[in-house]
Amino acid sequence: DAGVTQSPTHLIKTRGQQVTLRCSPISGHKSVSWYQQVLGQGPQFIFQYYEKEERGRGNFPDRFSARQFPNYSSELNVNALLLGDSALYLCASSRDSALSLEAFFGQGTRLTVV
Amino acid sequence: TQLLEQSPQFLSIQEGENLTVYCNSSSVFSSLQWYRQEPGEGPVLLVTVVTGGEVKKLKRLTFQFGDARKDSSLHITAAQPGDTGLYLCAGARDSNYQLIWGAGTKLIIKP
Repeated sequence: DAGVTQSPTHLIKTRGQQVTLRCSPISGHKSVSWYQQVLGQGPQFIFQYYEKEERGRGNFPDRFSARQFPNYSSELNVNALLLGDSALYLCASSRDSALSLEAFFGQGTRLTVV
Repeated sequence: TQLLEQSPQFLSIQEGENLTVYCNSSSVFSSLQWYRQEPGEGPVLLVTVVTGGEVKKLKRLTFQFGDARKDSSLHITAAQPGDTGLYLCAGARDSNYQLIWGAGTKLIIKP
């Protein structure tokens, strides 16, 4: 089975632009979470989606939005990019049951804002 | 406020030495997971511990979940350069379905 796939792998954007990142979860996984990871730090939770509905949101501004599609894939959108948005954006999928919260991560999208 | 505190934040040791990293909280977790992340890659799940006092071994890595399910440790015996990476712990609570993450321990094993 394919693991979590994210696209693109690398992206360079200019301040003020908008970006869309994509994620396909592992087959059978219904929950997708998005994380922002700055170099040398742990992942910071942005969103969690389950069955197309937002289940949780981290401490990120409204410039960040996401959605989940019927096939459980997901997109993360960031508007009005700032230099500080430069980071590795990680998508994780999980089966989403009480004892199956293990998160399986994609390789991430490295976003550089210049 | 970091709900899961990892220590040390950074550790650099020689190949062959032993080490322990810690993951502590004042909250009770239903399960706790350890991940290892290499530069430019996503974190990879190493182990999940569920029962208080549980010990799991993965080759030279030993994971322990505290009796009260508030803390965990990762012990590496005879560390090797291939163990270098960022070690992250993440906890799950019965009250919701989200993982709570520590900030990570950056481990460097020098040949």
